[in-house]
Amino acid sequence: AQSVTQPDIHITVSEGASLELRCNYSYGATPYLFWYVQSPGQGLQLLLKYFSGDTLVQGIKGFEAEFKRSQSSFNLRKPSVHWSDAAEYFCAVAGYYNTDKLIFGTGTRLQVFP
Amino acid sequence: EAGVAQSPRYKIIEKRQSVAFWCNPISGHATLYWYQQILGQGPKLLIQFQNNGVVDDSQLPKDRFSAERLKGVDSTLKIQPAKLEDSAVYLCASSPPPGTGLNEQYFGPGTRLTVT
Repeated sequence: AQSVTQPDIHITVSEGASLELRCNYSYGATPYLFWYVQSPGQGLQLLLKYFSGDTLVQGIKGFEAEFKRSQSSFNLRKPSVHWSDAAEYFCAVAGYYNTDKLIFGTGTRLQVFP
Repeated sequence: EAGVAQSPRYKIIEKRQSVAFWCNPISGHATLYWYQQILGQGPKLLIQFQNNGVVDDSQLPKDRFSAERLKGVDSTLKIQPAKLEDSAVYLCASSPPPGTGLNEQYFGPGTRLTVT
């Protein structure tokens, strides 16, 4: 069955530091992968998605993610974090039989110190 | 364009009571989703509608949860009777018709339900 693992429950970084959030997936074929961000009291917003092609994907707000098939990973990165990036980040994979069905990881809460 | 609207934003009920949540998707979006997000977990799909037909309700606890999407626009999710473990945020999302924006789901702010 498809699944997503986000090993880090909580990450704290200083403003201006680089960021990498980890995501590992389990899937039987080439997956459709997503990163969403959820700010307090708000719905989820799509940061970026990978369907095929270039394994380095650019998203909004300066985020990027790299698909590595050999490691079953899709890690999210940002070179310089801003205080406004503090939020919860969710990695998701589309379902195998229903590609509209998103299967989410448990999320990583990002805290940014000034 | 207006986003996905949900109401109420917060609801507190006692166990065994019933509750209903409402969702208005983005205009023109054919697909509507209801997710349950329990504290500390990622969202879990409960039900997916394509227009007013159900596409996937495999994870909907049908003994107590029901949902409808009359006229293929607004949707209502109901819980009757509620249990303590139903305490969660209920998220509604919508996506454009197939072929116009694969898998891009737009989420509403959610309804936070507390069952006491």
